[in-house]
Order: sequence, then C-alpha cells, then structure tokens
Amino acid sequence: SYELTQPPSVSVSPGQTARITCSADALPKDYAYWYQQKPGQAPVLVIYKDTERPSGIPVRFSASSSGTTVTLTISGVQAEDEADYYCQSADSSGTYWVFGGGTKLTVL
Amino acid sequence: QVQLVESGGGVVQPGTSLRLSCVASGFTLGGYGMHWVRQAPGKGPEWLAYMWYDGSKEYYTDSVKGRFTISRDNSKNTLYLQMNSLRAEDTAVYFCARDFIVGDIVTNAFDIWGQGTMVTVSS
Repeated sequence: SYELTQPPSVSVSPGQTARITCSADALPKDYAYWYQQKPGQAPVLVIYKDTERPSGIPVRFSASSSGTTVTLTISGVQAEDEADYYCQSADSSGTYWVFGGGTKLTVL
Repeated sequence: QVQLVESGGGVVQPGTSLRLSCVASGFTLGGYGMHWVRQAPGKGPEWLAYMWYDGSKEYYTDSVKGRFTISRDNSKNTLYLQMNSLRAEDTAVYFCARDFIVGDIVTNAFDIWGQGTMVTVSS
C-alpha cells in the first residue's frame, strides 16, 4: 500500500486561484483522481486520469501532474467551491485503491 | 435516473455483525465493478472492498480482510457488504460506489456514489 498526502487546508478569496497538491510516497501508480465533497453529501468526481474533467464539471477545475505530485487547480474560485477535496489513486493492477487525507478549501 | 441507495446501517455492539445493501437503479449493476468505501466522522474516505462486474474477483483493504465480505446479486441489481466482528473503529458512513467507465475503459475512479448509511459500533 502507499499513501497520498494533502495539505489540511487552503484558503483563497473569491475570484482567486486555489491550488491543492497531492503527493504520493512512491513512484506513480495509476492515474490520480480528485473529488469534491460538501458537508453531508457523497464525494463528486471532478478530475479523472490526472487531468480529465467529467462531463458537467465546470472548466474552472483543472489538474496537472509532475513526478509523484499532482495538483488540482480551481481558477476563479466561487463561494460554492468551498468544500473538502480528496485525491485518490490505485495500484497499477487495480486491486487496491487509496484516498488522500483531504484538503478543506475555504473561500474567504 | 442513475443512483445507488444504501441501507442496513444502525447501532450495534462490538463483536456483532451487520449486512449492508446497495440497490442500483437507472443502470445495470452487472455492467460495472462496484466498491464499498467508508468515511469515519471528520475523516477522509477509506476504500474497503471491490468486486468485479461478474462477481469473479474481489479485493479488500487489510483492515477489513477476513471480517468483511463483498457480494452481489446482479439479478436483483444489489451489492452487499457483510460485516462481522465489528469494532468501534468501524464506526463510519458506508458508501457504495460505481466504477467510472470511459468509453470501454474501466478507470480506477468512482463516478456514482450512494448517499451512505451510518454504522455505529458502540457498547
């Protein structure tokens, strides 16, 4: 197994850009995925395969990958983006899945 | 409407058992691998178990291996999680989640989640 490490919190003002990192403790396994979770709700997939955006996810959500670190970027942050964000990956053989500890995004 | 609905949670004593169900609607369960994920209060999600679309293979995280069993009945569009020897640390909201398939490719993401069912293990 391996771990994904995220900063506990990120704060930005409306309209600014938020960046949330996710670092793996080993070489890259599978792609990285990102979820948004608001209180009392299930997580929602916002990024898959490192950089792809599912249909229905606003274009202000993007992501990048470099080595063992992936970064979720939210451009022009809106109040509705305030939520917990989790990165997730899996081993290359598809037998083990792991989530990061989560980052609370606060919109000031 | 594509959705998953979990049920079967509750308050139980340590050492006892519980079976969770997850009913799929709006899609054919048998076309998808399915996961169970839990989230303890104030914590992040923890992946627990996965079963192939046809039930032929299953995988577990170490903390539940030997205690929890994932199963499915595709004819009933239902996924199950049998939880035995429950411990206080199993207290969490339990979600079922669907494989995210893009084209014909199964990714390792989860695209549809249920609303979750709460399991509290306490004496």
